[in-house]
Amino acid sequence: DADVTQTPRNRITKTGKRIMLECSQTKGHDRMYWYRQDPGLGLRLIYYSFDVKDINKGEISDGYSVSRQAQAKFSLSLESAIPNQTALYFCATSDLDREGTDTQYFGPGTRLTVL
Amino acid sequence: AQTVTQSQPEMSVQEAETVTLSCTYDTSENNYYLFWYKQPPSRQMILVIRQEAYKQQNATENRFSVNFQKAAKSFSLKISDSQLGDTAMYFCASSLPAGGTSYGKLTFGQGTILTVHP
Repeated sequence: DADVTQTPRNRITKTGKRIMLECSQTKGHDRMYWYRQDPGLGLRLIYYSFDVKDINKGEISDGYSVSRQAQAKFSLSLESAIPNQTALYFCATSDLDREGTDTQYFGPGTRLTVL
Repeated sequence: AQTVTQSQPEMSVQEAETVTLSCTYDTSENNYYLFWYKQPPSRQMILVIRQEAYKQQNATENRFSVNFQKAAKSFSLKISDSQLGDTAMYFCASSLPAGGTSYGKLTFGQGTILTVHP
């Protein structure tokens, strides 16, 4: 089984609809992240959480909200979807290894289309 | 703030040959981490290799190696004996260690599409 899972894998929705993307991990990591990927722009950070009680905005958090329901679960919500939120969304997790390096591991991504 | 730049939008190589992907970055920090991620058509983001800035020795992982030039702020990826399965988008990324407000956040370059031809 995959260490980081995302549901749904693909979603088509309409402008104004509320939508939630879910992420679960079995790696036991404390840190979780949500990124957005647009063509030609690489990945950009939306929100990140270093533990259940710690949630922080990334560089492009407007129009998004998150919930850290447990150490293993981190959800991303679009309260009122708009077409320019059409993108590929990635969840990632990380933790310090024995060398003190923080390496992020990604889920398979969710392709979201807002019509 | 950190920035990462990949100046090669697309590259191609023949199977079994060697190719080098370029990456430059900018940071005011002395300690940081650098990564190469691979994104095949399946769109999964896969860690290829990582380098800690405090280590002078270049990282290697089987056919993948880096040329880390700290003074020049350059971090190139060399793929030896290229295989068809290496066809993917490659992203260079950087992050900062614990202790700062930017800790743990990855900054990505724009990506380089690599095509391996048979």
